[in-house]
Amino acid sequence: GAGVSQSPSNKVTEKGKDVELRCDPISGHTALYWYRQSLGQGLEFLIYFQGNSAPDKSGLPSDRFSAERTGGSVSTLTIQRTQQEDSAVYLCASSLFGRVAEAFFGQGTRLTVV
Amino acid sequence: SQELEQSPQSLIVQEGKNLTINCTSSKTLYGLYWYKQKYGEGLIFLMMLQKGGEEKSHEKITAKLDEKKQQSSLHITASQPSHAGIYLCGADMHADGLTFGKGTHLIIQP
Repeated sequence: GAGVSQSPSNKVTEKGKDVELRCDPISGHTALYWYRQSLGQGLEFLIYFQGNSAPDKSGLPSDRFSAERTGGSVSTLTIQRTQQEDSAVYLCASSLFGRVAEAFFGQGTRLTVV
Repeated sequence: SQELEQSPQSLIVQEGKNLTINCTSSKTLYGLYWYKQKYGEGLIFLMMLQKGGEEKSHEKITAKLDEKKQQSSLHITASQPSHAGIYLCGADMHADGLTFGKGTHLIIQP
């Protein structure tokens, strides 16, 4: 497709389970971002990938969160031992030129931890 | 404290009326982005402002950047139901990744 694609669109999981969220960026975009949007908290930066460089993980809230990007394209955000406070919409974005470029966002994955 | 403050948090406007949303930064702004978010549609990029005094328009939406005030305003003229949604301002304030405000929830009443 032409845009950033995220899957699943909705995910309900039990507390303590692991979840994987997937992001397919726009083809050719070297920069990929993960954000989290919690109710009333705005958008929170999680992690940033730029090309083959080591990712900027400074925004990850805990060591239960990890992300990888295979082949400079698809990215997976993994949350281990999910907690209720992990419930949020997880947004992925990609851009062609990096951090100051116009980032295109996916529709997000709504994660609910019960 | 929030680096980007948006006001108001929510706004209910009668269709056809004008409205303004503000985004104020705690730091110098070198670039300011406006996005619109609708449920199920992700974030839609509206415009980017880079220079003080710069003004851009997208259909009936106009945004300005006041560098001295470290503030940007988004103005919608003759609002329509299609304008409803959450408006987010974002800025490049750190090494990587945009910093966003908490958003302004706009409701248009017919």
